[in-house]
Amino acid sequence: NAGVTQTPKFQVLKTGQSMTLQCAQDMNHEYMSWYRQDPGMGLRLIHYSVGAGITDQGEVPNGYNVSRSTTEDFPLRLLSAAPSQTSVYFCASRGPLEKLFFGSGTQLSVL
Amino acid sequence: AQKITQTQPGMFVQEKEAVTLDCTYDTSDQSYGLFWYKQPSSGEMIFLIYQGSYDEQNATEGRYSLNFQKARKSANLVISASQLGDSAMYFCAGPSARQLTFGSGTQLTVLP
Repeated sequence: NAGVTQTPKFQVLKTGQSMTLQCAQDMNHEYMSWYRQDPGMGLRLIHYSVGAGITDQGEVPNGYNVSRSTTEDFPLRLLSAAPSQTSVYFCASRGPLEKLFFGSGTQLSVL
Repeated sequence: AQKITQTQPGMFVQEKEAVTLDCTYDTSDQSYGLFWYKQPSSGEMIFLIYQGSYDEQNATEGRYSLNFQKARKSANLVISASQLGDSAMYFCAGPSARQLTFGSGTQLTVLP
């Protein structure tokens, strides 16, 4: 059972570079989301999707783009990385009883 | 605005004792849910327990129980018979399932 798979686990970028964080789930969940976790601040919602073709902004969407072309995949794009985007990123999908299944996280450093 | 507040940055408990981690929430919705997640030092997020606003009884999952007091807008996590492996960061989250808000967390340390 793969669950929610995030890649890469670690990434170092230079300011201004772009990259895509990948997220895939094999549980046929309609709802998927991206969070960032900064020290002492808990997790904050970046973007979420309630199904293929439908996305919406969370609490901290600036600097990030998402798309949802399939039920399985929900990539997060950083178009021009900034040091303020240094964080741990978690992807999650929602199953029965509203339970969130989290990926293992991506540690991103922007220099 | 939806809000989740955890006022205990750190807690210590003796092994085999019970501990309560506090969580208060703010919402004007009638239907909502409260969650608790555990994050060990390895970093993964582990679901512990869920309480729906219309659930008549407090949720329980093994050694975890949720002390839900709707009038006080509190959803405290109770861990009974603490184990060394319970040492971790604990996050309360809610109340909207679509846009889940997380508290700042409580670092629990279980002492031998």
